[in-house]
Amino acid sequence: GQQLNQSPQSMFIQEGEDVSMNCTSSSIFNTWLWYKQDPGEGPVLLIALYKAGELTSNGRLTAQFGITRKDSFLNISASIPSDVGIYFCAGQRNGAGSYQLTFGKGTKLSVIP
Amino acid sequence: ETGVTQTPRHLVMGMTNKKSLKCEQHLGHNAMYWYKQSAKKPLELMFVYNFKEQTENNSVPSRFSPECPNSSHLFLHLHTLQPEDSALYLCASSQVLEVPYEQYFGPGTRLTVT
Repeated sequence: GQQLNQSPQSMFIQEGEDVSMNCTSSSIFNTWLWYKQDPGEGPVLLIALYKAGELTSNGRLTAQFGITRKDSFLNISASIPSDVGIYFCAGQRNGAGSYQLTFGKGTKLSVIP
Repeated sequence: ETGVTQTPRHLVMGMTNKKSLKCEQHLGHNAMYWYKQSAKKPLELMFVYNFKEQTENNSVPSRFSPECPNSSHLFLHLHTLQPEDSALYLCASSQVLEVPYEQYFGPGTRLTVT
């Protein structure tokens, strides 16, 4: 089956530092989504990417859809304590059941004030 | 405020109990999903409903029984669960006929089976 490899699994950073995480796959995806999950809550959609090479920003967050369509990365600039949480990537393919998502295992982010 | 609500938020049940989880979406979507989230595992898709019809059952044990009376409501009926079924159960919704297919999640139900 399809798998997404998300890295790093966890990271500890100082407040104010920039963060980068990525997702790779052996399969091609037509859509990449990035979610953030706070403890005890459901994932919240941060950014959606629809075209290879697309670079999209949402405030301090920037995500890119890789040219090969097999990877994506998420950057967070000038991290703050409320950025703490687990970040998930998700990929979506065209075809039957195309609306279903494949998720990575998540990157747990800790921010040290 | 995600537009997808779930009740209850927390549930503790014994292995012989019967309980139900409820999900409601206010986004006008036509597909709804149940996921299971266990520690250190990717989100596991359990069931998919597309226009109230079940289109996916990912080898889920029969002790989990979904119900979708309309495109806004989704239930997960639970009976004779096992301790390993303890997890966060997430509901999501999306469009299916047109891009974007973004899924929006509810806050989840934290289930503990004793």
